[in-house]
Amino acid sequence: GQNIDQPTEMTATEGAIVQINCTYQTSGFNGLFWYQQHAGEAPTFLSYNVLDGLEEKGRFSSFLSRSKGYSYLLLKELQMKDSASYLCVTGATGFQKLVFGTGTRLLVSP
Amino acid sequence: DADVTQTPRNRITKTGKRIMLECSQTKGHDRMYWYRQDPGLGLRLIYYSFDVKDINKGEISDGYSVSRQAQAKFSLSLESAIPNQTALYFCATSATGIVEQFFGPGTRLTVL
Repeated sequence: GQNIDQPTEMTATEGAIVQINCTYQTSGFNGLFWYQQHAGEAPTFLSYNVLDGLEEKGRFSSFLSRSKGYSYLLLKELQMKDSASYLCVTGATGFQKLVFGTGTRLLVSP
Repeated sequence: DADVTQTPRNRITKTGKRIMLECSQTKGHDRMYWYRQDPGLGLRLIYYSFDVKDINKGEISDGYSVSRQAQAKFSLSLESAIPNQTALYFCATSATGIVEQFFGPGTRLTVL
């Protein structure tokens, strides 16, 4: 089965750095995704890690440790528009089915 | 122009009614998906289709049916809507061999 655990809510200040952690247990692991979802809107793809290590893309970075079943999303130089939910998502081997965590709601304050 | 569109965007209906939600895409992707999102729960997969002749149940398919009318169109039906089907429904697409899924804007369905 699949199980994903991430904090429900986090707060941070504009310009700061925030790290959103995710732990997972999954059979047939085929990569870990992070999606961003603003309230009432569609999720949008942020990152994908299939191998251990850090992937950097502008202000956003994502890290994966497969042996620990652990990932984090790092957001730097926070902006007000980064206030959103961040979904930790695993992919299942053999298909392209995604299993979504419940999301971490990030509130960025001035 | 949106690559993945959903109609309607909002719908209020009554228990027992038949409802169809439609999804169209111009991305040329083979794979299409239907999810529902409920407060406090992650998105859950209802049905998915890897090509026009391929339909598969997801984790919560009971009470739903789908039709893949063409590569670009994938419809979700609720044969007899019930209040616990009140949710935000998303359609998504992906290309074969590519892991990223692209989501439509969502349909907010309320069943009274």
